[in-house]
Amino acid sequence: DGGITQSPKYLFRKEGQNVTLSCEQNLNHDAMYWYRQDPGQGLRLIYYSQIVNDFQKGDIAEGYSVSREKKESFPLTVTSAQKNPTAFYLCATSGQRVETQYFGPGTRLLVL
Amino acid sequence: GENVEQHPSTLSVQEGDSAVIKCTYSDSASNYFPWYKQELGKRPQLIIDIRSNVGEKKDQRIAVTLNKTAKHFSLHITETQPEDSAVYFCAASRAGGGNKLTFGTGTQLKVEL
Repeated sequence: DGGITQSPKYLFRKEGQNVTLSCEQNLNHDAMYWYRQDPGQGLRLIYYSQIVNDFQKGDIAEGYSVSREKKESFPLTVTSAQKNPTAFYLCATSGQRVETQYFGPGTRLLVL
Repeated sequence: GENVEQHPSTLSVQEGDSAVIKCTYSDSASNYFPWYKQELGKRPQLIIDIRSNVGEKKDQRIAVTLNKTAKHFSLHITETQPEDSAVYFCAASRAGGGNKLTFGTGTQLKVEL
């Protein structure tokens, strides 16, 4: 999981603002995932992508959007429609035939 | 969809004792069960996983058991040490890359001196 980078480490959002979280990987993994983690809670799936130019909604997709134009990159946009965005956001990847997911270091999003 | 329940939510043990965390799942088609350890402010790290073609797997002080009939799987940590203190998550998915993992809500393990 050293091959997964997320930026920035901390991100501040103002009311009504869209912000984009970056996730990049050099593991040549096909699948990429975005999770949200709230304090003291588990990981909830926002979106995932099994191949380039394709992605599916997870359990809590409302207020978020993604794109997968390159195999290495899976950015997540937190839109103004997400009314409670404060959380720890984790990106993960997995190989084509292997279920194991590896996580990036995370981005902590805070609302000003 | 899959639902994973995890117990207990907090667990406190004395150093050197064993710790057991239990999970149940609902989807009978699930056949991959990883366990992750997350230290405060850090990313979850895979510590052990098991597939449904085996009933038990060990790695030094850590073991995982699986009962497919009852849809239960458990994490066992023996000879606990202070550095084992963390949040542990179980998860379940179907086989194959690109499949969704469904996570339990986590267990805060505290190993006391």
